[in-house]
Amino acid sequence: AQSVTQLGSHVSVSEGALVLLRCNYSSSVPPYLFWYVQYPNQGLQLLLKYTSAATLVKGINGFEAEFKKSETSFHLTKPSAHMSDAAEYFCAVNRNTGFQKLVFGTGTRLLVSP
Amino acid sequence: EPEVTQTPSHQVTQMGQEVILRCVPISNHLYFYWYRQILGQKVEFLVSFYNNEISEKSEIFDDQFSVERPDGSNFTLKIRSTKLEDSAMYFCASRLRDYSYEQYFGPGTRLTVT
Repeated sequence: AQSVTQLGSHVSVSEGALVLLRCNYSSSVPPYLFWYVQYPNQGLQLLLKYTSAATLVKGINGFEAEFKKSETSFHLTKPSAHMSDAAEYFCAVNRNTGFQKLVFGTGTRLLVSP
Repeated sequence: EPEVTQTPSHQVTQMGQEVILRCVPISNHLYFYWYRQILGQKVEFLVSFYNNEISEKSEIFDDQFSVERPDGSNFTLKIRSTKLEDSAMYFCASRLRDYSYEQYFGPGTRLTVT
């Protein structure tokens, strides 16, 4: 079975500060990992994905994440927060075989203050 | 850019009524999914669909739920007799083919059961 744990249901940062959203996974097979963003009243938009190529993955809007197998982590970072980054962020995992259902974490709401 | 669309954006129904949620996946995609998100909770997998049949379903997807791809474009989720606990945001997603990993999500349908 696969699972994802996101530490911190809310993270608050100031505009211009580093953003760090934590994600740890559990998987019995090599995982594929994803970060999705959900803006208010909108659907899920893919930020970035890890699919066993480079361990440091760059995504849209200046976000990146590093896959660390030894720590079973896939934390999301952005060097400098912008007000428009305020949203809910979901980490997700799936198997690299089969029909690839996504298993999501509980989400982290990022609050950005001026 | 192609996108997944869902209708309606908001559906209100009375307990015990049947509802059909509609999705139009991206046109050349082969894999289709429904997920749901109860307010304040994480996104949960319901069902995946490939080659005109269900490929995987969760324990949530009981006999009250069904999916169908009635023509070459639509993908529907039917709930036969809605319960209060079916109130949630329902997301449709599609994926291109076997070795593509990204699932593209629609904006969701908010289902409110009264």
